[in-house]
Amino acid sequence: KAGVTQTPRYLIKTRGQQVTLSCSPISGHRSVSWYQQTPGQGLQFLFEYFSETQRNKGNFPGRFSGRQFSNSRSEMNVSTLELGDSALYLCASSLVGGTLTGELFFGEGSRLTVL
Amino acid sequence: AQSVTQPDIHITVSEGASLELRCNYSYGATPYLFWYVQSPGQGLQLLLKYFSGDTLVQGIKGFEAEFKRSQSSFNLRKPSVHWSDAAEYFCAVQTGANNLFFGTGTRLTVIP
Repeated sequence: KAGVTQTPRYLIKTRGQQVTLSCSPISGHRSVSWYQQTPGQGLQFLFEYFSETQRNKGNFPGRFSGRQFSNSRSEMNVSTLELGDSALYLCASSLVGGTLTGELFFGEGSRLTVL
Repeated sequence: AQSVTQPDIHITVSEGASLELRCNYSYGATPYLFWYVQSPGQGLQLLLKYFSGDTLVQGIKGFEAEFKRSQSSFNLRKPSVHWSDAAEYFCAVQTGANNLFFGTGTRLTVIP
């Protein structure tokens, strides 16, 4: 069974540009969550999608957005990039869609560098 | 507001020695608690989780954790560390469906 796949794995952008990251969850998983990991702030929750609906959102500015498609694949977009957006962006999928948190299966992440 | 504190930024142990990683949480409701491990260049892997019931939880790779409500703690333990356990360990509390609030992590170094 394939794991969570994130593309691209590495990318370099310049300030002011925008970026789109992709996440393919494990087959059958309908929940996709996104996290930002930085040395200074650690792991921070961005948002979670279930059945194409955003259910939860973390405390990030509106420049960070996401969506989920009918096949559960998800994308996140960051517009008007800032230096502080340099981070490892992790996607996690889960089978559980209720009120509890099921086991989150993480991808290896997309490492974004903003110059 | 929720918080998760991992007071040890970096721990070094000898291979074969026992290990305890500390985690303290603050959360208004009954906490659902997790430990994840991250190897260099990898995503996170779930070691174990506590939702309710027995306060001693067994996980993968020989890890266990004990939930102590009176101390607001969820410490991770392993009786004998292997070199392959070198990684970063994160404690987390659930704050919403599939929404985890993570601690800052503890980096484990294992000396041969």
